[in-house]
Amino acid sequence: AQKITQTQPGMFVQEKEAVTLDCTYDTSDPSYGLFWYKQPSSGEMIFLIYQGSYDQQNATEGRYSLNFQKARKSANLVISASQLGDSAMYFCAMRGSNTGNQFYFGTGTSLTVIP
Amino acid sequence: ETGVTQTPRHLVMGMTNKKSLKCEQHLGHNAMYWYKQSAKKPLELMFVYSLEERVENNSVPSRFSPECPNSSHLFLHLHTLQPEDSALYLCASSRPGRLAGGPNTGELFFGEGSRLTVL
Repeated sequence: AQKITQTQPGMFVQEKEAVTLDCTYDTSDPSYGLFWYKQPSSGEMIFLIYQGSYDQQNATEGRYSLNFQKARKSANLVISASQLGDSAMYFCAMRGSNTGNQFYFGTGTSLTVIP
Repeated sequence: ETGVTQTPRHLVMGMTNKKSLKCEQHLGHNAMYWYKQSAKKPLELMFVYSLEERVENNSVPSRFSPECPNSSHLFLHLHTLQPEDSALYLCASSRPGRLAGGPNTGELFFGEGSRLTVL
């Protein structure tokens, strides 16, 4: 079975500081993709970053980077230089090679950036 | 501007009403999804439609019925709903990712959601 775990229901970070949002996963699929999404209060889910299980390097997209530790089955999101607009819910998700089009989501982490 | 459009954005209905949610994507994607998002719960996959498969979450009550007339449109028909069905309903689409040999990451593209309130 596929499972995504986000253990931090809420996080606070000072503006301009970096923050790490945790995500661990469990899968038996030989290959898989890991995704992070941002959901502002408006409700839309915004794709942030992707990490493939066989990618040699950790993914980076602007201020977002993914700390991928395959042996530990963790895929933590790092946001550098936090901005007030980063305040939102953040979801980790996984898509496995054996599960076709199905995506599995964690419960999310609410991030608040403090001025 | 999102590539996935959902209507209506807000819907209030009584338990005896029949209504439908509509989703449209013009991204050329080959799979479309309905997710339910309730407070403090993980996103719940309700249905997936693609050329290869139709997946139904067996825990979804029969008062929700999907319809996918073509690869660009997806509906969720609602009838005799219960107050606990009040939630944000998210439509999404995707294309094959690298796991399937494609060049893209294959992420989900979401619509802005339809906020449903059942009285």
